[in-house]
Parts: sequence; C-alpha cells; structure tokens
Amino acid sequence: AAGVIQSPRHLIKEKRETATLKCYPIPRHDTVYWYQQGPGQDPQFLISFYEKMQSDKGSIPDRFSAQQFSDYHSELNMSSLELGDSALYFCASSLAVGFDTEAFFGQGTRLTVV
Amino acid sequence: AQSVTQLDSHVSVSEGTPVLLRCNYSSSYSPSLFWYVQHPNKGLQLLLKYTSAATLVKGINGFEAEFKKSETSFHLTKPSAHMSDAAEYFCVVTYTGTASKLTFGTGTRLQVTL
Repeated sequence: AAGVIQSPRHLIKEKRETATLKCYPIPRHDTVYWYQQGPGQDPQFLISFYEKMQSDKGSIPDRFSAQQFSDYHSELNMSSLELGDSALYFCASSLAVGFDTEAFFGQGTRLTVV
Repeated sequence: AQSVTQLDSHVSVSEGTPVLLRCNYSSSYSPSLFWYVQHPNKGLQLLLKYTSAATLVKGINGFEAEFKKSETSFHLTKPSAHMSDAAEYFCVVTYTGTASKLTFGTGTRLQVTL
C-alpha cells in the first residue's frame, strides 16, 4: 500500500541557507501535518493543511513557511537556517482527523544544519 | 485545551514479562487516542487507535490498550515483552471530527532486558 513519502530523507545545510522539504500524502488524504522532532524530544506540531488551506498552526518559526498544492503534496520552506533547526521533520497525512481515522507518518527528513 | 501525559519517561522490563505504559489525557471534547511506536532512527508507526466502538483496543504486535473515561486513561499493555519491542512509545490525542493537530505525549522509552 502507498505510504507517505518524504524527500529528501537526509539534508545537510549551512547556517543561513534555505531548505525545502517535500511531503507526498497517501492518495485521497486531504490533511497534511508537519512535525519537528529534536534530538531526544517528542514531535512538536508545526502546521497543518486541510484541503489546501492552512488548518492549524503550532510552534512554527516565522522563518518557516509551508503550503499544500493542488495535488495535495506539501512543502515546508525553511530560511535563514540556524543550528537549532537540526531535527527530524515528519510529515503525516490523514482524512480529516477524528474518530475512526488515523494519521500516517512518513519516514521523516533528517535536517542537519552545520 | 487538549493534552496528554505519559506518566513514565522510561520503563524497563525483562523479556517475557508484561508491559504497562501509562497515558492520561485531558480534553474538552471526546478524544481520539492513538499509540505510536518509534524505533531508533525510524519513523512513527501506529500501534493502535481508540474509536467509540470498543473500549478495549487491540493493536499490532500483541499490544492492546483500554480506554477508561472515568480515569481519563489509555494505558498500553502487552502480556509478554519481546526484545524487538524496545523503542520509544508515544500516546497521542486529538479532537473528534475536526482537522486539528495531534498532541503528543513526551514519550516513554521501553527497555527490554534478557
């Protein structure tokens, strides 16, 4: 069965550079979530999209932006990267979350800022 | 506001003995509850989810969890631990019927010894 695809799997960037992370949800899923997991930390919600509109916003820095495109894939754009942005970034997709639904997570993109 | 508390940051059991990972939730609305497992350097995998159909939920790999509304708990159990169960476990809560963010607990690291 198709799963959530994230690319790239690994990314190394220098401070002050920009990075773009991509997420391809499971077909027919209409909701995408982005999470950031720092070393030894639990995943922190960044932002979510439902039907290509931002549905919720968490602790996403102003340097980051995201969008969901007409084909439902999503991109997380990160500018002016800082060392503290080094983390595992997860994307998840679901049908509008509620009872009897579940969020499927991708394998994550490991971003290292040097 | 929704929140979830995992009462133990670290649990150690011997192989073949029962596992109990505790989770309490707080939500203004009827919750949807999930347990996810994360093996080292891996993505998040859904173990089980709570729906209103049954309070005792069976998941993959022999895990199960019981939803107890009176205690606002959703503890994860397994009768007999296996070495391959060693991982980080996250209890997750969200609202019913809305496209909203998932709130993660801080995680419980399960160690399985011989």
